[in-house]
Parts: sequence; C-alpha cells; structure tokens
Amino acid sequence: EAAVTQSPRNKVAVTGGKVTLSCNQTNNHNNMYWYRQDTGHGLRLIHYSYGAGSTEKGDIPDGYKASRPSQENFSLILELATPSQTSVYFCASDFDWGNYAEQFFGPGTRLTVL
Amino acid sequence: QEKVQQSPESLIVPEGAMVSLNCSFSDSASQSIWWYQQHPGKGPKALISIFSNGNKKEGRLTVYLNRASLHVSLHIKDSQPSDSAVYLCAVGATGGNNKLTFGQGTVLSVIP
Repeated sequence: EAAVTQSPRNKVAVTGGKVTLSCNQTNNHNNMYWYRQDTGHGLRLIHYSYGAGSTEKGDIPDGYKASRPSQENFSLILELATPSQTSVYFCASDFDWGNYAEQFFGPGTRLTVL
Repeated sequence: QEKVQQSPESLIVPEGAMVSLNCSFSDSASQSIWWYQQHPGKGPKALISIFSNGNKKEGRLTVYLNRASLHVSLHIKDSQPSDSAVYLCAVGATGGNNKLTFGQGTVLSVIP
C-alpha cells in the first residue's frame, strides 16, 4: 500500500513565526497535495504539484507557499503564521491517471499558532 | 468552483443497521466520485469510487450515482462498531487533473 509520511506530527508556533510542514512519499507518485481540515469545512486544497519543481495554487492558497524539490518530497511553508492557520494539515499523493487515481493520505500534522 | 454538500451531519445507529449517507454536488460533468473513511487521528482512506451513472457494489458497500440529479449515496449494510468514523464525499474535477473537492463529512457512530 502507498505510504505517505508527514513531519512533524504536532507543532506549536508563535504568531509571525515561520513554519515548515514536510511530506514524503516513497511510491513514485507524480502528484502531491496539501489540504487543511477544519470542523464544518471538510478538507480544503491549499497547494498541489504535478512533479518535481512544480507547484500550483489550490482553492485557499493565501498565506501559504509550497515547494517540491524532488519526486518524494513536498513542503508547505507558512512564512508569517497567524492564529487562523491553526488546523490539521494533510498531505496526499497519487499517480497521474488523470481523473481516476486514488489519493493516498498521510497521518496529518496538527498545527497550533498562538 | 465545485460545491459538495453531505447529509446528515451525524448519524447514530445500532450494530447491524443499514446506513445511508448522502452527497450532492454542483457540476454534472465531474469525472469521479469518491467516498473516503477517516478514523479519529488518522488520514482519510479511500473506500469506494464510481465514475458512471448507476450503482456499484463492493462487499457491504453500495454506491449509487445519479448525475441528472447531482446526487450520490453510500449505503453500508450490516454496520459494525468498527465502521464508526467520518465519511467524506469527494468529487473529481473536469479538465484532466485529479483535483478533488470534499464535502464537510458525516460522523457515523455504530452502537454495539
């Protein structure tokens, strides 16, 4: 089964600080995604990538940057963290089968911004 | 932008009951519909998918898709306490990419 790992699993940050969330997948998937999950909103797409060196804006990209330095790694960067970015963040990956690929999710990172 | 709405928000059923979860979406041209299951403290995991109008059965799960009414439902037969989780409906975008839009989820509790 596809394996997606995230680090850290829990993070407490201060307002205005920089936060980097990391994601690694060892299944040679082309596509990777970052979501946040909040009560009442389900999962919302922040950024995604089609392969190394590419990043695309999702539905709620404001306040976030992404980096895909290699096929395996995809990072989410909060340059100036704010309390509204307190959430659980999930990374996912899939093969490039067009519209029909199953997304495999990591275990999530719980971020608290004080 | 695709909109996905799920109902009910939460559901409590006794063990062995049939469970019915509903999902409505806004774009009839959406390519794929997925149901994901999420246990507390875990990432979502795909349960079943459907791409064409009609129904699909896998074990205790059956999914019905009606593109004309923009509605999809998931039915779980003989529910078990281990089925207690959040169920997320996700709709795939048109245009050749695999972007998914998720509903807000239904919290299912199966009581022994």
